[in-house]
Amino acid sequence: QVNLLQSGAALVKPGASVKLSCKASGYTFTDYYIHWVKQSHGKSLEWIGYINPNSGYTNYNEKFKSKATLTVDKSTNTAYMELSRLTSEDSATYYCTKGFDYWGQGVMVTVSS
Amino acid sequence: DIVLTQSPALAVSLGQRATISCRASQSVSISRYNLMHWYQQKPGQQPKLLIYRASNLASGIPARFSGSGSGTDFTLTINPVQADDIATYYCQQSRESNTFGAGTKLELK
Repeated sequence: QVNLLQSGAALVKPGASVKLSCKASGYTFTDYYIHWVKQSHGKSLEWIGYINPNSGYTNYNEKFKSKATLTVDKSTNTAYMELSRLTSEDSATYYCTKGFDYWGQGVMVTVSS
Repeated sequence: DIVLTQSPALAVSLGQRATISCRASQSVSISRYNLMHWYQQKPGQQPKLLIYRASNLASGIPARFSGSGSGTDFTLTINPVQADDIATYYCQQSRESNTFGAGTKLELK
């Protein structure tokens, strides 16, 4: 069955970067885009962008273009999202999703000194 | 950006019908495709796809969930509401980029 397993919660200092992972299984990894979605505490969902695992092509929400970098490792069926120059506004739960039909369990990122 | 507007909350009795609406700031339909989708999210869980392209039931979703609408106005219906359906429901459009509504919290009356 399809499963997206995300890395564990992260506590990071302001100004630092963090790289989140999303390991896919149960389907052909290169056949579906991986999207990333942000959910601030108690708030709605924001689409960050997607990556085509086959070609590496990426498409970002304008708001996150200088914040997020999406990559994949086809050898391990893993997608990554790196968030840079973190501030308190980046504290949130981040989800990876296979075309919005299957979602990872989410990873909470807390930015605090 | 296409803005999606949802009512913040809806109170319903168990066994009754719940109708959750979502209005888009511009049409999210292309030809015969209505690019509006619905998700259920319970506290501490990831969103779950319920309905895709306005009216198509996602795999494994009970038939008491249904969706309708076109253009700018869409509806998610749950009939009858069961206790397990108490959650927050989000609409999402994929006509232009991807945006989500603010969510409607389904509560028991």
